[in-house]
Amino acid sequence: GQSLEQPSEVTAVEGAIVQINCTYQTSGFYGLSWYQQHDGGAPTFLSYNALDGLEETGRFSSFLSRSDSYGYLLLQELQMKDSASYFCACSNQAGTALIFGKGTTLSVSS
Amino acid sequence: NAGVMQNPRHLVRRRGQEARLRCSPMKGHSHVYWYRQLPEEGLKFMVYLQKENIIDESGMPKERFSAEFPKEGPSILRIQQVVRGDSAAYFCASSNQGQGANTGELFFGEGSRLTVL
Repeated sequence: GQSLEQPSEVTAVEGAIVQINCTYQTSGFYGLSWYQQHDGGAPTFLSYNALDGLEETGRFSSFLSRSDSYGYLLLQELQMKDSASYFCACSNQAGTALIFGKGTTLSVSS
Repeated sequence: NAGVMQNPRHLVRRRGQEARLRCSPMKGHSHVYWYRQLPEEGLKFMVYLQKENIIDESGMPKERFSAEFPKEGPSILRIQQVVRGDSAAYFCASSNQGQGANTGELFFGEGSRLTVL
């Protein structure tokens, strides 16, 4: 089956940099996605890595190493509004659905 | 608003009643996914549908749960004879192609929160 492991909680202060790691176990891997969810609302797509390396989008970057079955989300210049849950996800074996990790709750303090 | 629309946002049912959750995908999207989320948990895949077809229901409980996506109208997730363990947030997502899972980008609604008394 598929499984994704990520830390349950991370805390940081405003202006800091934080890295949320994700290791996955799956067959038929297509790529690794990251989603943000505020206060149980609609999860929103942040990034997708299909190839090894770093993808940068503003303050957020995402990294993938397919050989290590590992990726991370890097958040820079943290702001209070970045306090949320962050989920990594990858496709199931059939390619018909995204399977999500249990999420990492990020708390940003001033 | 052309986003994914779910209703009702909140639904309270007594044990044994039926719950019907509706989802209208984003305009132009014909692929719908249903997920369940318990507090402090991740999103658990339930079912993937295209218009008039169930493509993958491997995450759906075998009893009491059903889903449809008719040619006209929203997708519906139906839970019969609800029990307290069904209390959760149910999220619908859509994509514009069958590779939604493979390209990693799904568009989610705000969810329907079911409470079973």
